[in-house]
Amino acid sequence: QSALTQPPSVSGSPGQSVTISCTGSSSDVGSYNRVSWYQQPPGTAPKLMIYEVTNRPSGVPDRFSGSKSGNTASLTISGLQAEDEADYYCSSYTSSSTFLFGGGTKLTVL
Amino acid sequence: EVQLLESGGGLVQPGGSLRLSCAASGFTFSSFAMSWVRQAPGKGLEWVSTVSASGSTTYYADSVKGRFTISRDNSKNTLYLQVNSLRADDTALYYCAKEGRAYNLDYFDYWGQGTLVTVSS
Repeated sequence: QSALTQPPSVSGSPGQSVTISCTGSSSDVGSYNRVSWYQQPPGTAPKLMIYEVTNRPSGVPDRFSGSKSGNTASLTISGLQAEDEADYYCSSYTSSSTFLFGGGTKLTVL
Repeated sequence: EVQLLESGGGLVQPGGSLRLSCAASGFTFSSFAMSWVRQAPGKGLEWVSTVSASGSTTYYADSVKGRFTISRDNSKNTLYLQVNSLRADDTALYYCAKEGRAYNLDYFDYWGQGTLVTVSS
């Protein structure tokens, strides 16, 4: 049960776009559309931002979007805002009926 | 409004045990799988365990299999995690999380604020 692979950090200036990748395997990301993304500002609980690869829960700005190609899923944040600064985690359901999380990516808004 | 309130954490010696609880409200508890996810200090999220909506099926991470037991009481809208044979690397904030799709295993749409388990002599 190895964690999904995410870059440790990404950064961008206000108004720019950033993309966070999440690489798994054919046993998880590659086989299921059950990939989700979570935002976690310091000292707070995770918040669901994207589910089932591309879907946004109500209340999440449409600046947040998700996609998947093969074993890699991606979260794109466009029109960066200072309030987007947080840790972001991907998650996937697996063929073992378990869940995997990525190691997390720290987003810095310059 | 969905609310998840964890309790039961604390300081425990290596080899010790605790029972974590998560009181749920604001949704039909018996229709959704529930999970525990933990986060060691300064580290990332780690899925620990999931129980099906009925409680009949359970799933565990390899790191806790045989030591932790997840259960639920649908009459009390409460999720539990019995943690035994605790080790230092079990030290973490333990979150209770609600499944987003009824009768499915897919994503976590609501999270509690967590209960802290510290394993130390």
